[in-house]
Amino acid sequence: NAGVTQTPKFQVLKTGQSMTLQCAQDMNHNSMYWYRQDPGMGLRLIYYSASEGTTDKGEVPNGYNVSRLNKREFSLRLESAAPSQTSVYFCASKPAGFTDTQYFGPGTRLTVL
Amino acid sequence: RKEVEQDPGPFNVPEGATVAFNCTYSNSASQSFFWYRQDCRKEPKLLMSVYSSGNEDGRFTAQLNRASQYISLLIRDSKLSDSATYLCVVRGTGGFKTIFGAGTRLFVKA
Repeated sequence: NAGVTQTPKFQVLKTGQSMTLQCAQDMNHNSMYWYRQDPGMGLRLIYYSASEGTTDKGEVPNGYNVSRLNKREFSLRLESAAPSQTSVYFCASKPAGFTDTQYFGPGTRLTVL
Repeated sequence: RKEVEQDPGPFNVPEGATVAFNCTYSNSASQSFFWYRQDCRKEPKLLMSVYSSGNEDGRFTAQLNRASQYISLLIRDSKLSDSATYLCVVRGTGGFKTIFGAGTRLFVKA
């Protein structure tokens, strides 16, 4: 039982390049989330998926797209990376039911030059 | 004004000390409250939920004050391993709107 996994752990991109961050969970959770964390800002929600087949914008969706490929996987795509997207990206999942506990992956540290 | 505000610290305390953090939130309709812990360069992990009546988990006590719109975390008998950043988390109405504070850094020294 690996929990929430993310790949890659580190990535350096040049401005304008594209890439996809992968996230998978093996806990059979319904909801999945993508956050970014910047110094002094806390975690900010980029997109979330309440259940398989649905996705919704969070607080800072511009410049990103997501795909909920199946119940396990939720990917985040940067179509044209910008230096402002340099950040640590965390994926999280949450089970169904009356709980707010989110389980986070180890994060992806992205630098855009 | 940020929706969830925390003193960034750092709080530097000796082992065995008692330390308290506060967190204020702006939305009076907020429903659920949590403290998460984040170690350096690691992912956040749930420390404890915060209930209206207050709750305790070992050395940790969480309190909620709805009238003044703040939550608190008290750590007694601090250990070196308590050194981390503590994130205040508030969930509002309307499903999935969960707001994370920027965190309070704690350093416990020998």
